[in-house]
Amino acid sequence: QSALTQPASVSGSPGQSITISCTGTSSDVGGHNYVSWYQQHPGKAPKLMIYDVTNRPSGVSNRFSGSKSGNTASLTISGLQAEDEADYYCSSYRSSSPWVFGGGTKVTVL
Amino acid sequence: QVQLVQSGAEVKKPGASVRVSCKASGYTFISYAMHWVRQAPGQRLEWMGWINAGNGNTKSSQKFQGRVTITRDTSASTAYMELSSLRSEDTAVYYCARESQWFAAFDIWGQGTMVTVSS
Repeated sequence: QSALTQPASVSGSPGQSITISCTGTSSDVGGHNYVSWYQQHPGKAPKLMIYDVTNRPSGVSNRFSGSKSGNTASLTISGLQAEDEADYYCSSYRSSSPWVFGGGTKVTVL
Repeated sequence: QVQLVQSGAEVKKPGASVRVSCKASGYTFISYAMHWVRQAPGQRLEWMGWINAGNGNTKSSQKFQGRVTITRDTSASTAYMELSSLRSEDTAVYYCARESQWFAAFDIWGQGTMVTVSS
């Protein structure tokens, strides 16, 4: 079960915007809109940040936004804050699996 | 409030089995699917399988087929994941996660259960 492809790390200064990519195939990311993003702080359980590509659950800051183009989904964090430093994972429905996660991206706030 | 509370850490020998429980509260247990996801130390999240808490239907990842059994006890609002023939590579934190009724994502997660496989 191959994972979705994410950059290992992304960094930015406070107040800046960063974007994390998540590349799959037409069988998962590109085939439907069931892409979600999770934030995970060290030693903690993941937290849902974005679902169905672009939607934020209640309580998640509007500094987090999602998008998709073809087989690549993206998570953008605007107005970067120290508390955003964490690992981020994308996930997609895949008919054969049926769920697959990305390799994770470590976000560092400089 | 809505929460999932998992059982405590386990240490097992290679070849043994482990069962992790996940008790749900604050919502109607049988109305949601429950998934199991694991994370080896320093590694990515890995989907293992899921159960329809209402009718008990299950599906697991091909990687774990034959080794993982997912069940539930509706009277106790609890889901279980049993992994057999443990090997050192199964050392990981195991999470249960509720799938939202309204969208395709995991909206509530348990706190995680550390399973260590060591001789």
